[in-house]
Amino acid sequence: DAGITQSPRYKITETGRQVTLMCHQTWSHSYMFWYRQDLGHGLRLIYYSAAADITDKGEVPDGYVVSRSKTENFPLTLESATRSQTSVYFCASNNRGAYEQYFGPGTRLTVT
Amino acid sequence: SQQGEEDPQALSIQEGENATMNCSYKTSINNLQWYRQNSGRGLVHLILIRSNEREKHSGRLRVTLDTSKKSSSLLITASRAADTASYFCATDGGGSYIPTFGRGTSLIVHP
Repeated sequence: DAGITQSPRYKITETGRQVTLMCHQTWSHSYMFWYRQDLGHGLRLIYYSAAADITDKGEVPDGYVVSRSKTENFPLTLESATRSQTSVYFCASNNRGAYEQYFGPGTRLTVT
Repeated sequence: SQQGEEDPQALSIQEGENATMNCSYKTSINNLQWYRQNSGRGLVHLILIRSNEREKHSGRLRVTLDTSKKSSSLLITASRAADTASYFCATDGGGSYIPTFGRGTSLIVHP
């Protein structure tokens, strides 16, 4: 199906475990983004990518790793999950020259 | 840190009434966008206004931008229960076109 998808939609993991959140878009958009949404903080940018193999830090990158080997995929890895990383994570994309972002449905991550 | 800050944090109105929410920001911008988020869903883009524009309309939505006051307002006319959602402003400016989101206004429209 066309669009932007995230998997899993819900994830419970334990402190110290590695977890990877997947994001896939079918539009061949140049830009992809990872945000986390927490009560009281709104939406905060973790990492973004301008193209395959080009990534850059956002406002809150510590504890996260990203990669982008293919234009359509932008996985986010928590190398050693902490309780403070309990959040809802959103992936978004847009094309070069456009400002409107398209968001995925989100992944609700709980770290116990 | 967020660039835009929405006000009020929460708004409760009756169906048919107008809803107005505001966004203030601190530094000069290139563009300002408004997004809607329904409960448990991702954000959906509503409208973009450029720094050289003062007003834009889209259906029941009216957005104004006052760069001298560094503020924007989103007006939803004749609200419906389906407009119940959180609304976020997002600004980009300086050398970056990456938007920064505010904390949002939670709108409840009672049928």
